[in-house]
Amino acid sequence: ETGVTQTPRHLVMGMTNKKSLKCEQHLGHNAMYWYKQSAKKPLELMFVYNFKEQTENNSVPSRFSPECPNSSHLFLHLHTLQPEDSALYLCASSPSQNVDQPQHFGDGTRLSIL
Amino acid sequence: AQSVAQPEDQVNVAEGNPLTVKCTYSVSGNPYLFWYVQYPNRGLQFLLKYITGDNLVKGSYGFEAEFNKSQTSFHLKKPSALVSDSALYFCAVRDSKGGSYIPTFGRGTSLIVHP
Repeated sequence: ETGVTQTPRHLVMGMTNKKSLKCEQHLGHNAMYWYKQSAKKPLELMFVYNFKEQTENNSVPSRFSPECPNSSHLFLHLHTLQPEDSALYLCASSPSQNVDQPQHFGDGTRLSIL
Repeated sequence: AQSVAQPEDQVNVAEGNPLTVKCTYSVSGNPYLFWYVQYPNRGLQFLLKYITGDNLVKGSYGFEAEFNKSQTSFHLKKPSALVSDSALYFCAVRDSKGGSYIPTFGRGTSLIVHP
């Protein structure tokens, strides 16, 4: 049990579909992150939220749309994705954005684009 | 600017032997260093961190890491490897200067422990 729960664990979608990934944490953390993990590539930071406010958008295409309604929940809305978007999407949280605090990761959503 | 390098894509070790997974870093100020482990079909799990103080840091599952400022390294070690230690290991760094609170992760090192 990591304390960070991601749903669904697996998702297969066509390029014209719209779907959402969900992340939930009950650790009392105030910072939440979305990462993309592709085979043979470094971990890519996508978005960061701190106290529900977006503080980082790492040049992510607009077909990915994040939403953070409160400090415990984070969503990633997907539409018109491309085959190269197939990857493991990881959510993480940390108590704050202080540099000495580790991140807690969920187990990810394995996304496959047909 | 901060950066981190894991020079080995894969490390092979026999069960019972000591293991080392290498990490070097570059920062402008002081480094805050982290090791994470990722088992198959799981997310990253925090193992240990170095912020300040003793250069030898002890963490979960019997792992430890040694901070070496002169060599800008933070190698992960374990005295006796287990087959269950086989996983992907990530080193991460945050810089005390530069204003970035976002960690930079290494590319990961696959540790394979042979029975």
